[in-house]
Amino acid sequence: KAGVTQTPRYLIKTRGQQVTLSCSPISGHRSVSWYQQTPGQGLQFLFEYFSETQRNKGNFPGRFSGRQFSNSRSEMNVSTLELGDSALYLCASSLYGDYNEQFFGPGTRLTVL
Amino acid sequence: SQKIEQNSEALNIQEGKTATLTCNYTNYSPAYLQWYRQDPGRGPVFLLLIRENEKEKRKERLKVTFDTTLKQSLFHITASQPADSATYLCALEIRSGAGSYQLTFGKGTKLSVIP
Repeated sequence: KAGVTQTPRYLIKTRGQQVTLSCSPISGHRSVSWYQQTPGQGLQFLFEYFSETQRNKGNFPGRFSGRQFSNSRSEMNVSTLELGDSALYLCASSLYGDYNEQFFGPGTRLTVL
Repeated sequence: SQKIEQNSEALNIQEGKTATLTCNYTNYSPAYLQWYRQDPGRGPVFLLLIRENEKEKRKERLKVTFDTTLKQSLFHITASQPADSATYLCALEIRSGAGSYQLTFGKGTKLSVIP
C-alpha cells in the first residue's frame, strides 16, 4: 500500500507570495490533517478534513486555508507569505481521524525569503 | 489552555539500558494519548496508542504507561539500541465538539543511544 505523498518536497518563495501544497492520503483514508513544524514551536495543528469538510482548525491566521477533494486528496494554501511561515509542513492521513493512528507524509519544506 | 510537556529535550543513554521518556499534560483529560517517532528529515511514525482506561500497553521492546491522576505518560524502550536514536513525540487529542478533534503534540525528546 502506498504511503502518504506530499508535493512539492521543497519550495522557496518570497514574502507576499502565496503557495499551495498538496497531499495524497493512503488509499481508503478519509481524514487528512495538516501540521506546521518549526524548531521553536514543534508540531502545531493547522486543520483536519474529513469527507471534504473541515472538522477542526488550529490557532493560525486566516491566511492559512485548506480543502479536501472527493478522492480525499487535500491541499493547503498560504497567502501573503511571511518570513515566519518558513517551516516543514506535514500532512497526515488516517481512516477516520479519532482514535486512529496517523500516517505522516515526508513533508514539504517551505522557505520564505 | 491545554499544555503538553516532554520534560527532556535530549536524553543520552548507553546501549542495552532502558530509556524512559516523560510526557506531562495540564488542564485537560484526554481520552487517549499517542507516541510517535521522528527521524531527521522525515515525518513522524506512529508507535503506540493508549486509552484513558488503560494503565499500560506494550509492543515488543516498547512500553507505555498512562496515569490520568498524575496527568502523565511514561514511554520506555528496553534493551535500547543505537537504531532507537530519534526524536520521540507524545500527542494527545483535544476534543472541541461532537466529531471534532485535534492532536496536540509535545515538542519531543531527542534520544541518543550510545554504543
